[in-house]
Amino acid sequence: EAQVTQNPRYLITVTGKKLTVTCSQNMNHEYMSWYRQDPGLGLRQIYYSMNVEVTDKGDVPEGYKVSRKEKRNFPLILESPSPNQTSLYFCASSILAGGLGNEQFFGPGTRLTVL
Amino acid sequence: AQSVAQPEDQVNVAEGNPLTVKCTYSVSGNPYLFWYVQYPNRGLQFLLKYITGDNLVKGSYGFEAEFNKSQTSFHLKKPSALVSDSALYFCAVRDSRAGGTSYGKLTFGQGTILTVHP
Repeated sequence: EAQVTQNPRYLITVTGKKLTVTCSQNMNHEYMSWYRQDPGLGLRQIYYSMNVEVTDKGDVPEGYKVSRKEKRNFPLILESPSPNQTSLYFCASSILAGGLGNEQFFGPGTRLTVL
Repeated sequence: AQSVAQPEDQVNVAEGNPLTVKCTYSVSGNPYLFWYVQYPNRGLQFLLKYITGDNLVKGSYGFEAEFNKSQTSFHLKKPSALVSDSALYFCAVRDSRAGGTSYGKLTFGQGTILTVHP
């Protein structure tokens, strides 16, 4: 089954404790992206990657890191989480053939709480 | 910088009536426009998109959207609403122009909660 998977689905942590949220897709997509969803603010793009070893900042990259060492994986790293990073996080991927007009496939989301 | 506005936080319609969820956008070049839907406790699902060509695009579950370049709008419509259409709807835009600082970015609106009453 074609899908985007995220782990963990739920995480409660404390301020300053480094964490990683994994994202993996099995569709051989070039483009991958991370978003956070907050009430009243919609989805905001954190980072995106157009291919292996290529990453770019989205609209809210502060406090986050990403890496793209393999095509299928795009982990999101919070080196020192803070309470304002409490949010619902989504990973997504899309094919790049033909350009950027292709729809994204979203993972199920990771609900993160930073105390 | 590109942006999307969904002017209505909530839209309420009766089942069987037509529905419209509004979206306006701003990009430097020509837009790629998307609508996604989020059901409770679920991820986002793609509904439809405008890339080029016919201004009226049709998508999943009977939804359609009309691209209006002069009004920079991409409103989502459905002729007859169902209770099962109740969900959170997001409009998104991407700049099709290669090489710009926003190339690759996808910008979402804040979302519109659609409630269809029986």
